[in-house]
Amino acid sequence: GAVVSQHPSRVICKSGTSVKIECRSLDFQATTMFWYRQFPKQSLMLMATSNEGSKATYEQGVEKDKFLINHASLTLSTLTVTSAHPEDSSFYICSAIATNTGELFFGEGSRLTVL
Amino acid sequence: GESVGLHLPTLSVQEGDNSIINCAYSNSASDYFIWYKQESGKGPQFIIDIRSNMDKRQGQRVTVLLNKTVKHLSLQIAATQPGDSAVYFCAEANTGNQFYFGTGTSLTVIP
Repeated sequence: GAVVSQHPSRVICKSGTSVKIECRSLDFQATTMFWYRQFPKQSLMLMATSNEGSKATYEQGVEKDKFLINHASLTLSTLTVTSAHPEDSSFYICSAIATNTGELFFGEGSRLTVL
Repeated sequence: GESVGLHLPTLSVQEGDNSIINCAYSNSASDYFIWYKQESGKGPQFIIDIRSNMDKRQGQRVTVLLNKTVKHLSLQIAATQPGDSAVYFCAEANTGNQFYFGTGTSLTVIP
């Protein structure tokens, strides 16, 4: 079946550095992808909607300059956490809508730990 | 975003019993709902979905019920198995295909 791959699955970085997380649709094209973050024992919180070739749409309260999203191709969206701080430590999950079928698929998530 | 919440944060059931997980949503304009299962450290896994023009949908061992009058949906799992132990989320979607997740219910199946 369709697969959404996230890389890296785990990353540890120092405070103040930037981290890029990739979300790839492996066997389908995705015009639209979504980024979520999830804190331990909490639900997924939608951060932004990523549209190929255009600027991402951010949910209220999400800093666009802090969480940079780029959707340069129909199979790849990236989330860059800039100047990361310990409070940015979280589980980041992407999802992608298959352009031809409209089905939604989730990635396996990327765990970010900021020291 | 929309507010989607769950009534019960934890649920323990005996293996073989039926499980019922409830969810309330606030946006009456939402027209698509999905139940997801999430195991520790993994992404959400699709279980079953339902559109607002339906009030019931059945899958393999699972049934989703939608009550639009009170903005409530439930997930019923028949003959619950240990492998069903996970956190279950309901999510509602708007016309923009943006999904908003509920709080989550942690289901524990007791052998």
